[in-house]
Amino acid sequence: NAGVTQTPKFQVLKTGQSMTLQCAQDMNHEYMSWYRQDPGMGLRLIHYSVGAGITDQGEVPNGYNVSRSTTEDFPLRLLSAAPSQTSVYFCASSKKSGGLTDTQYFGPGTRLTVL
Amino acid sequence: AQSVTQPDIHITVSEGASLELRCNYSYGATPYLFWYVQSPGQGLQLLLKYFSGDTLVQGIKGFEAEFKRSQSSFNLRKPSVHWSDAAEYFCAVGPGNNNDMRFGAGTRLTVKP
Repeated sequence: NAGVTQTPKFQVLKTGQSMTLQCAQDMNHEYMSWYRQDPGMGLRLIHYSVGAGITDQGEVPNGYNVSRSTTEDFPLRLLSAAPSQTSVYFCASSKKSGGLTDTQYFGPGTRLTVL
Repeated sequence: AQSVTQPDIHITVSEGASLELRCNYSYGATPYLFWYVQSPGQGLQLLLKYFSGDTLVQGIKGFEAEFKRSQSSFNLRKPSVHWSDAAEYFCAVGPGNNNDMRFGAGTRLTVKP
């Protein structure tokens, strides 16, 4: 199994550009989530999904959109990139029974720089 | 709201020495507590978790953690550190309002030969 995969690994954007970070999992997990990791701040939850067609906001949702059309995929869209969105982004998945407080499986991350 | 404090930003230990990483939490009820490890350039991997029961929890790679309700702590320990343990360690607490976890800022571990 590939687990949780993320593309791209690295991305540089200019302020105002839009892009989509891809996330896919092959473990048939219902729960998927997006975090950003900033120095000295740990991981902060951006958006999450409890199943196909259902998404909700986390701690820091502003400037990001998500959708969940399939169980496997959970893309994160930056609508108009800002330098404050420079960060490392992690996607994670977990089983429905435990939700976000069950063991989460993390992807390798996407390092995004916004100039 | 729940929160997690990891007081040590960076710790250096010698290979073979014992290790203790501190984690203090704030939570209104019995928390779910987690320790994750992040190796350089990698995603996070679960080391261990506590939901209920025995307050001493065993995890992977020889790590253990002890839940102390009276001290609101969940410190991570390892009796003998290996060079491969050099990584960043995150403590997390939940569930929160979104049934999510809150992560601490992390402790970076350096292992001296």
